[in-house]
Amino acid sequence: KQEVTQIPAALSVPEGENLVLNCSFTDSAIYNLQWFRQDPGKGLTSLLLIQSSQREQTSGRLNASLDKSSGRSTLYIAASQPGDSATYLCAVCGNTDKLIFGTGTRLQVFP
Amino acid sequence: GAGVSQTPSNKVTEKGKYVELRCDPISGHTALYWYRQSLGQGPEFLIYFQGTGAADDSGLPNDRFFAVRPEGSVSTLKIQRTERGDSAVYLCASSLGFPGSSYEQYFGPGTRLTVT
Repeated sequence: KQEVTQIPAALSVPEGENLVLNCSFTDSAIYNLQWFRQDPGKGLTSLLLIQSSQREQTSGRLNASLDKSSGRSTLYIAASQPGDSATYLCAVCGNTDKLIFGTGTRLQVFP
Repeated sequence: GAGVSQTPSNKVTEKGKYVELRCDPISGHTALYWYRQSLGQGPEFLIYFQGTGAADDSGLPNDRFFAVRPEGSVSTLKIQRTERGDSAVYLCASSLGFPGSSYEQYFGPGTRLTVT
């Protein structure tokens, strides 16, 4: 059974710092991995999708890497801003087409 | 274009009542998913439709939960005899996917269900 773990559970940093969020999964047989952002009381916004054949994806200040063989992904956020404060979720998609989520990292960026 | 929409945004109901939650996927998306998110947790899979048929309903917790997608577009999640433990945010997602594909899933804003 696929299990997804995210570390740390919570993170508080000053504005401007570069930071790394970690995601690990137990079954490497995945089709893709998605990183989402969730603001309080809101739905999920997709940030990056990495196909199983890819090593990384970039969007603006965000960079996500995937090491399928070791069951790990990282989300790198450069020059963090208060507007980046949210919960970040990673999810893997296997051959059953459903997403298996981690419990998220709650990020707070203070001015 | 329009994203995934869900109605109602909030639903408060009494224990034992019946509720229906609606999801309008992105036009042209053949795959539709329902997830449930409890406080402080990541979303958990409930059911997945490919077209009109339920391709995978292994996440439905018990037979009080049922979902339909009669015309391959709008879906309704139905919960009978609601219990306080059903309180959660119910999320819907859609994608262009077909079985075995790896298309991105797009999520709606969710319906917050509170059972009193």
